[in-house]
Amino acid sequence: DAGVTQSPTHLIKTRGQQVTLRCSPKSGHDTVSWYQQALGQGPQFIFQYYEEEERQRGNFPDRFSGHQFPNYSSELNVNALLLGDSALYLCASSLMVGGYTFGSGTRLTVV
Amino acid sequence: RKEVEQDPGPFNVPEGATVAFNCTYSNSASQSFFWYRQDCRKEPKLLMSVYSSGNEDGRFTAQLNRASQYISLLIRDSKLSDSATYLCVVNVNYGGSQGNLIFGKGTKLSVKP
Repeated sequence: DAGVTQSPTHLIKTRGQQVTLRCSPKSGHDTVSWYQQALGQGPQFIFQYYEEEERQRGNFPDRFSGHQFPNYSSELNVNALLLGDSALYLCASSLMVGGYTFGSGTRLTVV
Repeated sequence: RKEVEQDPGPFNVPEGATVAFNCTYSNSASQSFFWYRQDCRKEPKLLMSVYSSGNEDGRFTAQLNRASQYISLLIRDSKLSDSATYLCVVNVNYGGSQGNLIFGKGTKLSVKP
């Protein structure tokens, strides 16, 4: 049973560029949540998708946007990258009521 | 005030020691409580859920005090393999939605030979 798959695993971008991160949820899961984890900090909730809609959003600017596809996979887009966006981006999938499974994350470095 | 606060750490203990982690949360609507473990440069993994009655899993014991909004994790007879960052996590559900996980900053544990 495949768990949560994220791609790419590592990424280096330049300030001002745009980036798209991808997540395939665990088989049978229909809800995808995205988290940002800066070095030395706990993960911070970005947003959650269910039925292809953003259901909840954390305290992140509009530069952060996302999408969920009919097969439940999801993308996280970040525009106008800042140095402070450098972090580990984690995707977690779940059923609408149920436990979370985390992917191994995408490590984004902005230079 | 942060929604979930943990001991700042790090904790450096010898093998066999007992170590306790403490955590407080600010949102009284929090409904589910967890301890996650995160190894260096890896994703968080669920260690155990936390219930008001307290629960134990081998060397690990978790407690929840809803009145005090306090969560604890006790590790007995610590092993080298217990070295990791321990994250206190709460889930606040909003009107039938899944809610979202709110993480503490984490407390790093290093168990030495």
